[in-house]
Amino acid sequence: NAGVTQTPKFQVLKTGQSMTLQCAQDMNHNSMYWYRQDPGMGLRLIYYSASEGTTDKGEVPNGYNVSRLNKREFSLRLESAAPSQTSVYFCASRPGPRIYEQYFGPGTRLTVT
Amino acid sequence: ILNVEQSPQSLHVQEGDSTNFTCSFPSSNFYALHWYRWETAKSPEALFVMTLNGDEKKKGRISATLNTKEGYSYLYIKGSQPEDSATYLCAFSFGNEKLTFGTGTRLTIIP
Repeated sequence: NAGVTQTPKFQVLKTGQSMTLQCAQDMNHNSMYWYRQDPGMGLRLIYYSASEGTTDKGEVPNGYNVSRLNKREFSLRLESAAPSQTSVYFCASRPGPRIYEQYFGPGTRLTVT
Repeated sequence: ILNVEQSPQSLHVQEGDSTNFTCSFPSSNFYALHWYRWETAKSPEALFVMTLNGDEKKKGRISATLNTKEGYSYLYIKGSQPEDSATYLCAFSFGNEKLTFGTGTRLTIIP
């Protein structure tokens, strides 16, 4: 099992450009999440998907969109990148809500200039 | 906005010594408390998920306790080793999909 995979690992964008971060898991998990990690702050939830076909906003959704393409894949799209979106992005999954731990991908380091 | 606070922010411990640190969270509407270990250049890995007041969990030299009535959890590391160097995150859940993470305690073990 590869677990949770993310592509790309690194990306540099210019302000106003768009891009999609890809995430996939092979553990048959129902729930998937996108977080961002900024210096001095905890992991902050951007969007999540409790099951295939559903998505919901987290704490910091502005400037992002998501798609739960199928049970395996959950993508995060930046339509018009801004320098404030420079961050490390983590995707995570878990079997279901409530008591289960989350499994994290390796992260994508995004710089917006 | 609920706050999950971890202390201290960073800690240097001599190899072989034991240490502990704290996670504070809202005591109302508690559902679960998670601990994760995050090594530099890697991704967070789950250590424990605790749900009941008085829960104690153990994995090797690492253990955790939970007090939901007063809103805190302790993580203990016995006989610290260099491989314990990492950031330790706690996260709080109301019982829905969302976890709220603290900013972590960065632990450095001095050989």
